[in-house]
Amino acid sequence: DTQMTQSPSSLSASVGDRVTITCRASESITTYLNWYQQKAGKAPELLIHAASTLQSGVPSRFSGSGSGTDFTLTISNLQPEDFATYYCQQTYNSPWAFGQGTRVEIK
Amino acid sequence: QVQLVESGGGLVKPGGSLRLSCAASGFTFSDYYMNWIRLAPGKGLEWISYISSSSTYTSFADSVKGRFTISRDNAKNSLYLQMHSLRAEDTAVYYCARVTSSTSRYAGDYWGQGTLVTVSS
Repeated sequence: DTQMTQSPSSLSASVGDRVTITCRASESITTYLNWYQQKAGKAPELLIHAASTLQSGVPSRFSGSGSGTDFTLTISNLQPEDFATYYCQQTYNSPWAFGQGTRVEIK
Repeated sequence: QVQLVESGGGLVKPGGSLRLSCAASGFTFSDYYMNWIRLAPGKGLEWISYISSSSTYTSFADSVKGRFTISRDNAKNSLYLQMHSLRAEDTAVYYCARVTSSTSRYAGDYWGQGTLVTVSS
């Protein structure tokens, strides 16, 4: 099975910071990589699909890059509403799988 | 607008069974793959299963394979998750989510609000 590893597992940042989260797949998944944001008590929301395509309605401060095994999610100019947990997900190989999550906390 | 509403969660004893439902509206249900994902207390998201638009293809996480089945009724715009041999570690909020096309890399673009399953004696 394809394993997904995110780093870091948590980070502290301030409003206005630039934040980068990485996701590594145990084998190539081309660009079958999606990113989600989940806030406490809420359903996850899709941020980016196909590694770098911003989902409709998502602010442009979110961006994604990568292909193959290494991917990044970048949040530029971090806003108060961005403090949440972020997950990557591969959908190239069955079974699909999420990374373990990265919690972004207020410094 | 797209709406997904899960139901069927509750308290069940270890070894018991439960059937979750997801009622879909606001889109042509029969055109989309659907999947189930769960969030256990203190843990991260775990993908559970998907089913193709016409039920031809299904897939399951190793953690539930052989215990859970997924099905759908396109005439009723409904998705189901039948869970058997439930364990304490199956305790979680269960979400259904619509799956986009392969062009969008099968992302989950719309999610329900979730239904809580608690497995405890």
